Amino acid sequence: DGGITQSPKYLFRKEGQNVTLSCEQNLNHDAMYWYRQDPGQGLRLIYYSQIVNDFQKGDIAEGYSVSREKKESFPLTVTSAQKNPTAFYLCASSIVRTGELFFGEGSRLTVL
Amino acid sequence: AQSVTQLGSHVSVSEGALVLLRCNYSSSVPPYLFWYVQYPNQGLQLLLKYTSAATLVKGINGFEAEFKKSETSFHLTKPSAHMSDAAEYFCAVRAPYSSASKIIFGSGTRLSIRP
Repeated sequence: DGGITQSPKYLFRKEGQNVTLSCEQNLNHDAMYWYRQDPGQGLRLIYYSQIVNDFQKGDIAEGYSVSREKKESFPLTVTSAQKNPTAFYLCASSIVRTGELFFGEGSRLTVL
Repeated sequence: AQSVTQLGSHVSVSEGALVLLRCNYSSSVPPYLFWYVQYPNQGLQLLLKYTSAATLVKGINGFEAEFKKSETSFHLTKPSAHMSDAAEYFCAVRAPYSSASKIIFGSGTRLSIRP
């Protein structure tokens, strides 16, 4: 089945540590996205990539980094510079032409 | 610029009752509008979308929404609630032909179903 796989589903981190969240898609979509979700808020865009080896900052990119070396993969690193990293992180992909988003099941990061 | 407002962060209805989740939008151009559903600890799934064709849009799981330009609304309805409808629902807006990176999400409405 085609879809988006995020791992790990749950992750605990100590303050000051970097952590990388994985996102892999087999939908052959060109574009991929990372969103952050906090309770009672909508989704906020962190980074997105419309083509391999290129990515753009979203609304809340500070303290995060990404790479897009392969079409299928778009990992997100939450760095120690992110002041409040505890959140639910969602990866999505889309066909550029239609713009319809397909989401993974999310990764919940908790900083201890 | 686009924005979307969901009225009511939490809605509770009895099983079998009408579900009505409210969404109002603001857009400088005729918008594309979406409703997504999120079950606990899962990603979002598209319920339905309006892309300037028919104003009454039917989606999955018996949901539908009506685009009303005069009221700048896109409310989500279902005639008869089922226990499995309990979830969080997000309304979203973006300009036509724009990138999905430009989609704006509302803050969500949590739907609870009473037995």
